[in-house]
Amino acid sequence: EVQLVESGGGSVQPGGSLRLSCAASGFTFSRYWMTWVRQAAGKGLEWVANIKEDGSEKFYVDSVKGRFTISRDNAKDSLYLQLNSLRAEDSAVYYCARSGDLVYWGQGTLVTVSS
Amino acid sequence: SYELTQPPSMSVSPGQTARITCSGDLLPKKYVYWYQQKSGQVPVLVMSEDNKRPSGIPERFSGSSSGTMATLTISGAQVEDEADYYCYSSYDSGDLWVFGGGTKVTVL
Repeated sequence: EVQLVESGGGSVQPGGSLRLSCAASGFTFSRYWMTWVRQAAGKGLEWVANIKEDGSEKFYVDSVKGRFTISRDNAKDSLYLQLNSLRAEDSAVYYCARSGDLVYWGQGTLVTVSS
Repeated sequence: SYELTQPPSMSVSPGQTARITCSGDLLPKKYVYWYQQKSGQVPVLVMSEDNKRPSGIPERFSGSSSGTMATLTISGAQVEDEADYYCYSSYDSGDLWVFGGGTKVTVL
């Protein structure tokens, strides 16, 4: 059974940082692109970033470029999202998902940016 | 950047047909995926690559794409189909992705 479990969310002040993690199981993690999606409270889904199987290619939505970094550790079957210079508008539930058709999603981790 | 446009909301009576549209300039060349998100839940893939229904999704869900518009059709909508629906597609050589704004479907 495929499982994706996010962790690392929390409350942080504007300008602060967080590191989100996503632990994958039930499939060969190193063979798949992976994606982060976020959803602010009461708002729609927003694609945030994705990363190639070997980590050699990474892509971001314009609003997070230069502030967020996606990475992965295939030896640990784990995906990460480093969030720096956080703003109030980054407050959201962050989901990791297996790329392509996004058929598999985690339960999400909540990030709240507030002073 | 690139945008996918969906109607914000629609209402349908039980047993009637709901057609949810998604428009985007690149849709003639890119697949569209559709997700159903019920209140407080994680999104669920209900249609892949324009018209491929994943295992476990009821047959009343179907998808199509023509020109710059993709459509998710719920034939004989049920009360349990009440949810937000999002389309999703790629652009910029397939490296970047975007969701539509979502359509809130009310079945009553």
